[in-house]
Amino acid sequence: RKEVEQDPGPFNVPEGATVAFNCTYSNSASQSFFWYRQDCRKEPKLLMSVYSSGNEDGRFTAQLNRASQYISLLIRDSKLSDSATYLCVVNLGGGADGLTFGKGTHLIIQP
Amino acid sequence: ETGVTQTPRHLVMGMTNKKSLKCEQHLGHNAMYWYKQSAKKPLELMFVYNFKEQTENNSVPSRFSPECPNSSHLFLHLHTLQPEDSALYLCASSTETGQTTEAFFGQGTRLTVV
Repeated sequence: RKEVEQDPGPFNVPEGATVAFNCTYSNSASQSFFWYRQDCRKEPKLLMSVYSSGNEDGRFTAQLNRASQYISLLIRDSKLSDSATYLCVVNLGGGADGLTFGKGTHLIIQP
Repeated sequence: ETGVTQTPRHLVMGMTNKKSLKCEQHLGHNAMYWYKQSAKKPLELMFVYNFKEQTENNSVPSRFSPECPNSSHLFLHLHTLQPEDSALYLCASSTETGQTTEAFFGQGTRLTVV
């Protein structure tokens, strides 16, 4: 049973390109959604929350489609420093103990 | 610069050893968590403490024993581990459970069982 599914990649993308990846979740009762970023051998850090109306933070745009139960992350004008693993995280609403993590999508930005 | 500090950062232990992992958070949070991250697997929640009380034990073997003396400190006591327990152990904290909230992670302890 895969509650949160992501394409593990790696996605090899040239610097300056736009890249997008999706994540699907199985529990329709999920209430909140996040993208975390994890650098190699480091801890996960919150990149952005994902709202029903969609939200943007600089070069990053997150979208939520509740009907289809997927979340997307779009990165524009990608930088070398964007290379990392991006974790899709879904919360059933019970607080941080309800966080369910995907395996992550590995992104490599190439010069 | 992290508000959640874990020690040690790296640990190698034999299967008969006893060791402890320590976590301290400086964020004024009331909930603390232990996660396990193995290669090629998603983060797995192990234990949850809310206001020092354990509220969740995700079917973790008894060779892992958590301790939470106060809302700022969390320990994971390890004994008679197996090689498959080798993983990155991450501590996290949040304001409290029962709210839709993000978790803040420590840098993790990379554990190798030999």
